[in-house]
Amino acid sequence: QSVLTQPPSVSAAPGQKVTISCSGSSSNIGSNYVSWYQQLPGTAPKLLIYDNNNRPSGIPVRFSGSKSGTSATLGITGLQTGDEADYFCGTWDNSLSAVVFGGGTKLTVL
Amino acid sequence: EVQLVESGGGVVQPGGSLRLSCVASGFPFSGYAQSWVRRAPGKGLEWVAAISGSGDGDRTYYADSLKGRFTISRDNSKSTLFLQMNSLRAEDTAVYYCANSVQMVDMDVWGKGTTVTVSS
Repeated sequence: QSVLTQPPSVSAAPGQKVTISCSGSSSNIGSNYVSWYQQLPGTAPKLLIYDNNNRPSGIPVRFSGSKSGTSATLGITGLQTGDEADYFCGTWDNSLSAVVFGGGTKLTVL
Repeated sequence: EVQLVESGGGVVQPGGSLRLSCVASGFPFSGYAQSWVRRAPGKGLEWVAAISGSGDGDRTYYADSLKGRFTISRDNSKSTLFLQMNSLRAEDTAVYYCANSVQMVDMDVWGKGTTVTVSS
Protein backbone atom coordinates (compact mmCIF):
# COMPACT_ATOMS: atom_id res chain seq x y z
CA GLN A 1 0.00 0.00 0.00
CA SER A 2 1.58 3.25 -1.15
CA VAL A 3 1.61 6.38 1.01
CA LEU A 4 0.45 8.42 -1.99
CA THR A 5 -2.65 7.33 -3.88
CA GLN A 6 -2.89 7.39 -7.66
CA PRO A 7 -5.47 5.84 -9.99
CA PRO A 8 -4.10 2.57 -11.41
CA SER A 9 -4.89 3.54 -14.96
CA VAL A 10 -6.20 6.32 -17.18
CA SER A 11 -6.85 6.41 -20.90
CA ALA A 12 -7.69 8.93 -23.59
CA ALA A 13 -7.54 9.32 -27.34
CA PRO A 14 -4.64 10.90 -29.23
CA GLY A 15 -4.79 14.68 -29.12
CA GLN A 16 -6.95 14.72 -26.01
CA LYS A 17 -6.09 15.80 -22.48
CA VAL A 18 -5.71 13.62 -19.39
CA THR A 19 -5.12 14.34 -15.72
CA ILE A 20 -3.57 12.05 -13.13
CA SER A 21 -4.24 12.66 -9.47
CA CYS A 22 -2.01 12.03 -6.48
CA SER A 23 -3.48 12.14 -3.01
CA GLY A 24 -1.50 12.31 0.20
CA SER A 25 -1.61 13.88 3.63
CA SER A 26 -0.41 16.85 5.62
CA SER A 27 2.89 15.14 6.40
CA ASN A 28 3.84 14.70 2.75
CA ILE A 29 2.10 16.56 -0.09
CA GLY A 30 0.58 19.05 2.30
CA SER A 31 3.95 20.37 3.37
CA ASN A 32 6.46 19.49 0.65
CA TYR A 33 7.09 19.86 -3.06
CA VAL A 34 5.78 17.22 -5.44
CA SER A 35 7.61 15.71 -8.41
CA TRP A 36 6.24 13.65 -11.28
CA TYR A 37 8.06 10.94 -13.20
CA GLN A 38 7.41 9.16 -16.47
CA GLN A 39 8.68 5.63 -16.99
CA LEU A 40 8.46 4.22 -20.48
CA PRO A 41 8.65 0.42 -20.79
CA GLY A 42 12.18 -0.87 -20.31
CA THR A 43 13.68 2.51 -19.48
CA ALA A 44 14.67 4.49 -16.41
CA PRO A 45 12.24 7.00 -14.90
CA LYS A 46 12.40 10.55 -16.22
CA LEU A 47 11.64 13.69 -14.20
CA LEU A 48 8.68 15.52 -15.77
CA ILE A 49 7.73 18.03 -13.06
CA TYR A 50 9.52 19.24 -9.95
CA ASP A 51 8.57 21.69 -7.19
CA ASN A 52 4.88 21.07 -7.95
CA ASN A 53 4.72 22.81 -11.31
CA ASN A 54 8.15 23.32 -12.85
CA ARG A 55 9.36 21.53 -15.95
CA PRO A 56 13.03 20.57 -16.38
CA SER A 57 14.71 21.70 -19.55
CA GLY A 58 13.54 19.64 -22.51
CA ILE A 59 10.14 18.64 -21.10
CA PRO A 60 7.37 19.83 -23.44
CA VAL A 61 4.83 22.38 -22.23
CA ARG A 62 2.17 19.69 -22.82
CA PHE A 63 3.10 18.43 -19.36
CA SER A 64 1.96 20.47 -16.37
CA GLY A 65 1.69 20.05 -12.63
CA SER A 66 -0.36 21.59 -9.86
CA LYS A 67 -0.89 21.14 -6.15
CA SER A 68 -3.71 22.03 -3.83
CA GLY A 69 -3.69 21.09 -0.16
CA THR A 70 -2.82 17.43 0.15
CA SER A 71 -3.33 16.55 -3.51
CA ALA A 72 -1.38 17.06 -6.70
CA THR A 73 -2.28 16.67 -10.35
CA LEU A 74 -0.32 15.96 -13.51
CA GLY A 75 -1.87 17.18 -16.74
CA ILE A 76 -0.94 16.07 -20.22
CA THR A 77 -2.42 17.75 -23.28
CA GLY A 78 -2.17 16.83 -26.95
CA LEU A 79 -1.74 13.16 -26.10
CA GLN A 80 0.59 11.15 -28.31
CA THR A 81 1.03 7.39 -28.55
CA GLY A 82 4.56 7.94 -27.29
CA ASP A 83 3.11 9.16 -23.98
CA GLU A 84 2.00 5.62 -23.11
CA ALA A 85 3.93 4.95 -19.93
CA ASP A 86 3.69 4.63 -16.17
CA TYR A 87 3.51 7.89 -14.25
CA PHE A 88 4.52 8.32 -10.62
CA CYS A 89 4.18 11.17 -8.16
CA GLY A 90 6.72 11.57 -5.38
CA THR A 91 7.39 13.78 -2.41
CA TRP A 92 9.10 13.88 0.97
CA ASP A 93 7.24 12.63 4.02
CA ASN A 94 8.11 14.48 7.23
CA SER A 95 6.76 11.75 9.52
CA LEU A 96 8.69 8.97 7.80
CA SER A 97 11.76 11.07 6.94
CA ALA A 98 11.62 9.35 3.59
CA VAL A 99 10.84 9.87 -0.05
CA VAL A 100 7.44 8.39 -0.91
CA PHE A 101 6.02 7.52 -4.30
CA GLY A 102 2.52 6.92 -5.49
CA GLY A 103 1.62 3.46 -6.72
CA GLY A 104 1.82 4.61 -10.31
CA THR A 105 -0.70 5.24 -13.08
CA LYS A 106 -0.58 3.46 -16.42
CA LEU A 107 -1.54 5.80 -19.26
CA THR A 108 -3.05 4.25 -22.35
CA VAL A 109 -3.47 6.37 -25.46
CA LEU A 110 -6.26 4.67 -27.35
CA GLU B 1 27.82 14.64 -20.37
CA VAL B 2 25.96 14.18 -17.09
CA GLN B 3 25.77 10.45 -16.45
CA LEU B 4 25.16 7.81 -13.79
CA VAL B 5 26.21 4.22 -14.41
CA GLU B 6 25.18 1.41 -12.06
CA SER B 7 26.87 -1.95 -11.67
CA GLY B 8 27.02 -4.86 -9.27
CA GLY B 9 23.68 -6.50 -9.91
CA GLY B 10 23.33 -10.23 -10.45
CA VAL B 11 21.78 -13.41 -9.17
CA VAL B 12 22.17 -14.14 -5.46
CA GLN B 13 20.71 -16.75 -3.15
CA PRO B 14 18.31 -15.81 -0.37
CA GLY B 15 20.27 -14.61 2.64
CA GLY B 16 23.16 -13.47 0.48
CA SER B 17 24.70 -10.03 -0.02
CA LEU B 18 25.43 -7.71 -2.93
CA ARG B 19 27.08 -4.33 -3.23
CA LEU B 20 25.79 -2.03 -5.93
CA SER B 21 27.86 0.85 -7.29
CA CYS B 22 26.90 3.96 -9.21
CA VAL B 23 29.60 6.05 -10.88
CA ALA B 24 28.77 9.67 -11.63
CA SER B 25 30.32 11.92 -14.23
CA GLY B 26 29.74 15.37 -15.69
CA PHE B 27 28.64 17.17 -12.52
CA PRO B 28 29.93 17.97 -9.00
CA PHE B 29 28.91 14.71 -7.34
CA SER B 30 29.54 15.63 -3.71
CA GLY B 31 27.29 18.68 -3.83
CA TYR B 32 24.15 16.75 -4.56
CA ALA B 33 21.92 14.18 -2.91
CA GLN B 34 21.69 10.71 -4.40
CA SER B 35 19.09 8.02 -4.01
CA TRP B 36 18.59 4.37 -4.80
CA VAL B 37 15.17 3.54 -6.20
CA ARG B 38 13.98 0.11 -7.27
CA ARG B 39 11.22 -1.36 -9.37
CA ALA B 40 10.23 -4.94 -8.84
CA PRO B 41 8.49 -6.92 -11.60
CA GLY B 42 4.83 -5.95 -11.76
CA LYS B 43 5.23 -3.32 -9.05
CA GLY B 44 5.68 0.44 -8.90
CA LEU B 45 8.67 2.56 -8.01
CA GLU B 46 9.98 2.08 -4.50
CA TRP B 47 12.43 4.48 -2.91
CA VAL B 48 15.16 2.56 -1.10
CA ALA B 49 17.58 5.04 0.45
CA ALA B 50 19.17 8.44 0.02
CA ILE B 51 22.25 10.32 1.11
CA SER B 52 22.37 14.10 1.28
CA GLY B 53 25.05 16.25 -0.28
CA SER B 54 28.29 16.72 1.57
CA GLY B 55 27.24 20.27 2.42
CA ASP B 56 24.41 18.71 4.47
CA GLY B 57 26.72 16.28 6.18
CA ASP B 58 26.12 13.18 4.04
CA ARG B 59 23.07 12.31 6.10
CA THR B 60 21.45 8.99 5.24
CA TYR B 61 17.79 8.07 5.01
CA TYR B 62 16.15 4.69 4.49
CA ALA B 63 12.79 3.19 3.69
CA ASP B 64 11.47 1.78 6.97
CA SER B 65 11.02 -1.69 5.53
CA LEU B 66 14.71 -1.90 4.58
CA LYS B 67 16.41 -0.40 7.61
CA GLY B 68 19.05 -2.65 9.05
CA ARG B 69 19.60 -4.66 5.87
CA PHE B 70 20.64 -1.99 3.37
CA THR B 71 23.35 0.66 3.76
CA ILE B 72 23.92 3.62 1.46
CA SER B 73 27.29 5.33 1.27
CA ARG B 74 29.39 7.42 -1.08
CA ASP B 75 33.03 7.97 -2.00
CA ASN B 76 33.25 11.56 -3.19
CA SER B 77 36.87 11.13 -4.31
CA LYS B 78 35.65 8.56 -6.82
CA SER B 79 32.24 10.14 -7.51
CA THR B 80 30.69 6.82 -6.60
CA LEU B 81 27.55 5.89 -4.72
CA PHE B 82 27.13 2.49 -3.08
CA LEU B 83 24.33 0.32 -1.78
CA GLN B 84 25.31 -2.58 0.44
CA MET B 85 22.48 -5.10 0.55
CA ASN B 86 22.51 -7.90 3.14
CA SER B 87 20.15 -10.70 4.09
CA LEU B 88 18.57 -10.52 0.66
CA ARG B 89 15.08 -11.89 0.13
CA ALA B 90 13.11 -12.89 -2.94
CA GLU B 91 11.09 -9.69 -2.63
CA ASP B 92 14.28 -7.65 -3.14
CA THR B 93 14.34 -8.83 -6.75
CA ALA B 94 14.12 -5.67 -8.85
CA VAL B 95 15.89 -3.26 -11.14
CA TYR B 96 17.85 -0.85 -8.95
CA TYR B 97 18.39 2.70 -10.14
CA CYS B 98 20.59 5.43 -8.74
CA ALA B 99 19.35 8.98 -9.13
CA ASN B 100 20.73 12.45 -8.50
CA SER B 101 18.76 15.30 -6.96
CA VAL B 102 19.00 18.70 -5.34
CA GLN B 103 16.25 18.28 -2.76
CA MET B 104 15.87 14.48 -2.59
CA VAL B 105 12.57 14.40 -4.48
CA ASP B 106 13.56 16.17 -7.69
CA MET B 107 15.57 13.28 -9.16
CA ASP B 108 16.68 14.73 -12.48
CA VAL B 109 19.45 12.33 -13.50
CA TRP B 110 18.98 8.58 -13.48
CA GLY B 111 21.17 5.63 -14.34
CA LYS B 112 19.91 2.87 -16.62
CA GLY B 113 19.62 0.47 -13.71
CA THR B 114 21.14 -2.81 -12.60
CA THR B 115 19.12 -5.97 -12.10
CA VAL B 116 19.17 -7.90 -8.83
CA THR B 117 17.62 -11.34 -8.74
CA VAL B 118 17.31 -13.18 -5.43
CA SER B 119 16.65 -16.83 -6.11
CA SER B 120 17.83 -20.25 -5.07
